[in-house]
Amino acid sequence: EVQVVESGGGLVQPGGSLRLSCAASGFTFSTKWMHWVRQAPGKGLVWVSRIDTDDTITTYADFVKGRFTISRDNAKNTLYLQMNSLRAEDTAVYYCARGGGYCSGGNCYPFFDSWGQGTLVTVSS
Amino acid sequence: EIVMTQSPVTLSVSPGERATLSCRASQSVSSHLAWYQHKSGQAPRLLIYGASTRATGVPARFTGSGSGTEFTLTISSLQSEDFAVYYCQQYNNWPPLTFGGGTKVEIK
Repeated sequence: EVQVVESGGGLVQPGGSLRLSCAASGFTFSTKWMHWVRQAPGKGLVWVSRIDTDDTITTYADFVKGRFTISRDNAKNTLYLQMNSLRAEDTAVYYCARGGGYCSGGNCYPFFDSWGQGTLVTVSS
Repeated sequence: EIVMTQSPVTLSVSPGERATLSCRASQSVSSHLAWYQHKSGQAPRLLIYGASTRATGVPARFTGSGSGTEFTLTISSLQSEDFAVYYCQQYNNWPPLTFGGGTKVEIK
C-alpha cells in the first residue's frame, strides 16, 4: 500500500525556520517526482514545490521562492521541505504528495496520485 | 498563471441524487485536468486524471468530462461517503500547478 506520512510541523515565530519530513513507503520512492501542497485555514489547496527523481531539478511557487528548499533522500525514502524566513501567511497544513502524470516531447504533465494527511505549521508570535 | 474557477462554491444534494460540479480554466489546458476529493482531516484523494480517467479504486459513479477550458465532474448517485470538498487541478501549463477554489458537496 502506498503511504506518505508527514511530520515536523508545529508553532514557530515569524522569521523562524522549520523542516518538514515526509516518509514514503509501499512504492519505489526513487522513481517518483514528489511535491508539497499546502492549505491555509479555511482556504483551498495550493501547490508549493516539486522535486524530480534524483534531486537535480526543483521548482517552486513564487511565494516561497528563495525561502523554502525541497530535497529528498532516496536511500531513506524521505522527502523534506526546509522552510526559512517564515511569515504568518505560511500558516497552513502542508501535504506531501506523490507525483503522477507523464512526460512527452520535453514537457511534463504532473498531478498528485497519493497524498499524506498533512502536518500543521503555525507561524505566530 | 492559469486560473481555475469552480462552481458552485457549495452544492446541497440529497443522498441518491446526481451532483454536477463545474471547473473552468482561464486558458486551454487540453485534457490535463485532475479532480480530487478532500474530507476534513484526511488526505486528499485523486479521483480523475486526464479529464476523464478514473483513478484506481474510484467507483464508477464518478465521471469526468470536458476538454480545453470547460470540465465537469458528475457523481451519479450520491452516497453518504461522497459528501466532501472537490477540487480540480490543471497540469498543462506550469509552474505553477493550480487548483480551483473547491466545491463543497453537502447534505440537503
